Amino acid sequence: NAGVTQTPKFRVLKTGQSMTLLCAQDMNHEYMYWYRQDPGMGLRLIHYSVGEGTTAKGEVPDGYNVSRLKKQNFLLGLESAAPSQTSVYFCASSYAQGQPQHFGDGTRLSIL
Amino acid sequence: GENVEQHPSTLSVQEGDSAVIKCTYSDSASNYFPWYKQELGKGPQLIIDIRSNVGEKKDQRIAVTLNKTAKHFSLHITETQPEDSAVYFCAASMSNYQLIWGAGTKLIIKP
Repeated sequence: NAGVTQTPKFRVLKTGQSMTLLCAQDMNHEYMYWYRQDPGMGLRLIHYSVGEGTTAKGEVPDGYNVSRLKKQNFLLGLESAAPSQTSVYFCASSYAQGQPQHFGDGTRLSIL
Repeated sequence: GENVEQHPSTLSVQEGDSAVIKCTYSDSASNYFPWYKQELGKGPQLIIDIRSNVGEKKDQRIAVTLNKTAKHFSLHITETQPEDSAVYFCAASMSNYQLIWGAGTKLIIKP
């Protein structure tokens, strides 16, 4: 009964370092999403995928890259981390467009 | 750009009373309106949703109403309980089916 699993749960980076956040879902969903959540703001969409091998830009894509090589996995990469990327990152998946999104419990990322 | 405004940002109610959270959206093409509950340290969890062909939907103590003409939708929680304390988010679909989110309402249930 895993649903959406995000790793790692916490991470501290120095400015300029790179890292990859992993999202895995076991619901056979076609659609996957990466959001960031900042204090006092709602979730903002970074990138999303409508199926294996596809990716698309969301509202705030700059500084991030993604890959969806397998249907169940969606990776979010930061090539050169900046303090402005300190945030909580959430991954979600859905069966189709306009269907409920299921979320992981987030990755708390701090960039020093 | 498209946006969703959510009010209030904080709502404190006595246990057993009702709570109402309101959202306004800007994209007239929006047709899907979910509400999510987020507990501390967890991801958002869907509690109820409504589509544009329906004016109201209920699920036990929770109800959502939609006024497409005014571009308003609201979450109603009756007989509030301590476990209702959380942050609630509304969202609206855009024409490309992606969601635009409100800024959230922190609901506090006073014993």
